[in-house]
Amino acid sequence: ILNVEQSPQSLHVQEGDSTNFTCSFPSSNFYALHWYRWETAKSPEALFVMTLNGDEKKKGRISATLNTKEGYSYLYIKGSQPEDSATYLCASPGTSGTYKYIFGTGTRLKVLA
Amino acid sequence: DVKVTQSSRYLVKRTGEKVFLECVQDMDHENMFWYRQDPGLGLRLIYFSYDVKMKEKGDIPEGYSVSREKKERFSLILESASTNQTSMYLCASNLGQGNSPLHFGNGTRLTVT
Repeated sequence: ILNVEQSPQSLHVQEGDSTNFTCSFPSSNFYALHWYRWETAKSPEALFVMTLNGDEKKKGRISATLNTKEGYSYLYIKGSQPEDSATYLCASPGTSGTYKYIFGTGTRLKVLA
Repeated sequence: DVKVTQSSRYLVKRTGEKVFLECVQDMDHENMFWYRQDPGLGLRLIYFSYDVKMKEKGDIPEGYSVSREKKERFSLILESASTNQTSMYLCASNLGQGNSPLHFGNGTRLTVT
């Protein structure tokens, strides 16, 4: 079974702080790594899908990096704002890109004004 | 934008009732998924469908069945609801491959009393 782990479980930061969290996944037979943001009372929203080792993707103040050889991805938020408060999920499809996405338990971020 | 719509936001049912959760997507996606979210656990796959009338069991299919008679609609059926099926249920869809982002509905919070 493919295990995807996220740390920390939860995080409180002050408005304006930059922060980052980690997603770890088995490095063998890597296919892709997904990041989602899940705000309260909304649906999870895709942030990034990453496939290439060394890849870095950016969306506004949020960016992500990928290391497939060592099996981790970092999500960075620069200058956190209260609207960034959400649970951030990462997920990896099974080997060869099968449908059995394995989700981490998420990092719950609270940005304090 | 892809829209995935779940028929109910909140649902309260009694033990033993048959429960239908409906999901509709409007972007002609091949794949549709049903997940449940419980505290401290990642999203867990209940069932997956990759085409009309085609389905595959996920990690926790016991006590559930599904129906996909039309490409846009994927229904989750709780044959005889039990209290341990109290959970948040999320429907999702995507195009064929594991590097295609999942698009989620808003979720249905089901309480079985």
